[in-house]
Amino acid sequence: EAGVAQSPRYKIIEKRQSVAFWCNPISGHATLYWYQQILGQGPKLLIQFQNNGVVDDSQLPKDRFSAERLKGVDSTLKIQPAKLEDSAVYLCASSSGGGTGYEQYFGPGTRLTVT
Amino acid sequence: AQKVTQAQTEISVVEKEDVTLDCVYETRDTTYYLFWYKQPPSGELVFLIRRNSFDEQNEISGRYSWNFQKSTSSFNFTITASQVVDSAVYFCALSGYSTLTFGKGTMLLVSP
Repeated sequence: EAGVAQSPRYKIIEKRQSVAFWCNPISGHATLYWYQQILGQGPKLLIQFQNNGVVDDSQLPKDRFSAERLKGVDSTLKIQPAKLEDSAVYLCASSSGGGTGYEQYFGPGTRLTVT
Repeated sequence: AQKVTQAQTEISVVEKEDVTLDCVYETRDTTYYLFWYKQPPSGELVFLIRRNSFDEQNEISGRYSWNFQKSTSSFNFTITASQVVDSAVYFCALSGYSTLTFGKGTMLLVSP
């Protein structure tokens, strides 16, 4: 079974530019998550989708971050405009259920550097 | 609010030593789940174990074992006879009625 796919793996941009990340979850997983992991810290949830609906986006900086999951499968996370403090690894995860007890399976992440 | 504390930032051991990674959590939820994830240098988080708050039974899987104690709000992870391949950052995480909260992680370095 294929795991969670993410692209690109690395991205370097200048501040005020925009960037987009793509995620393809494990086949059949209805729940998809985007996390931000700053160096030396644990992942922090940005947004959770159940199929194509948003379950939790309370920690998403909505003035610059946006995410969508139009057909309930792939998802895109966008940052516009980027700031220096957005430098982090962006992790996508999926789970078979939407409850908090389900284990999440993570992709390899996208390492973003904002200069 | 829920919180996970991993007080050990970094642990260094020599191969074949046993090592315990500590995890202390805080939550007001009566039903919750605890997790351990491993993050090797490649960066991908790997799920290791999940326990629910009603199951305090310790678990052993090969060289890995977990000790869950509600009385002390702890969910510690022990690796027996550590190996170089165990070198990674290990995260403890908690989910109650809200989403998953991770600790800051413990970096384990196993030298030959």
